Amino acid sequence: GAVVSQHPSWVICKSGTSVKIECRSLDFQATTMFWYRQFPKQSLMLMATSNEGSKATYEQGVEKDKFLINHASLTLSTLTVTSAHPEDSSFYICSARDGTSGGHTYNEQFFGPGTRLTVL
Amino acid sequence: AQSVTQLDSHVSVSEGTPVLLRCNYSSSYSPSLFWYVQHPNKGLQLLLKYTSAATLVKGINGFEAEFKKSETSFHLTKPSAHMSDAAEYFCVVSLSGGYNKLIFGAGTRLAVHP
Repeated sequence: GAVVSQHPSWVICKSGTSVKIECRSLDFQATTMFWYRQFPKQSLMLMATSNEGSKATYEQGVEKDKFLINHASLTLSTLTVTSAHPEDSSFYICSARDGTSGGHTYNEQFFGPGTRLTVL
Repeated sequence: AQSVTQLDSHVSVSEGTPVLLRCNYSSSYSPSLFWYVQHPNKGLQLLLKYTSAATLVKGINGFEAEFKKSETSFHLTKPSAHMSDAAEYFCVVSLSGGYNKLIFGAGTRLAVHP
């Protein structure tokens, strides 16, 4: 149980195009989802926190107009990188927090496998 | 403000020998602390967590960590390394406790040699 999937697992796009990454909680309801960015050989940096049905909260220095986050349901959040540039190339990881089950996984964050974005 | 420092960027051990990955934290609150492991091309997996219960926390795959408030440390240990333990390990502190915003350490890459 408590599986989080991401799609696609990798994507290559041209500079100036937009890319959408999906994050799904497969067997639990995620009241909160988090988006992270990880540069090669570096740690994860939190980009934004999204609660279902409300606007995402972005960390300082993250452009909300460039990284659009939608969390329209309890099992799906999307991150859209708009007008992507080579410097946006990175590993994007989502996590989802089990906020409703009340079981042993309640309130724990579960991570997706990540999406590697390469912008040419 | 919460922060976490992993004292070693790389650790190399021989198979069958003990593993020690060091982590120090800074927190204004009683912290929640975690260790996650990241294998190549795989998602992060929770090894263990400390949330103000027992100070010695046992996790999966034989790992354990001890919360020492006086030393502000949460070092990860394993008595005997296995080849499959080779991965990136992250020490993580939670803002405001619980499973809210997570602050990741820089990571420690563990290499295990035959």
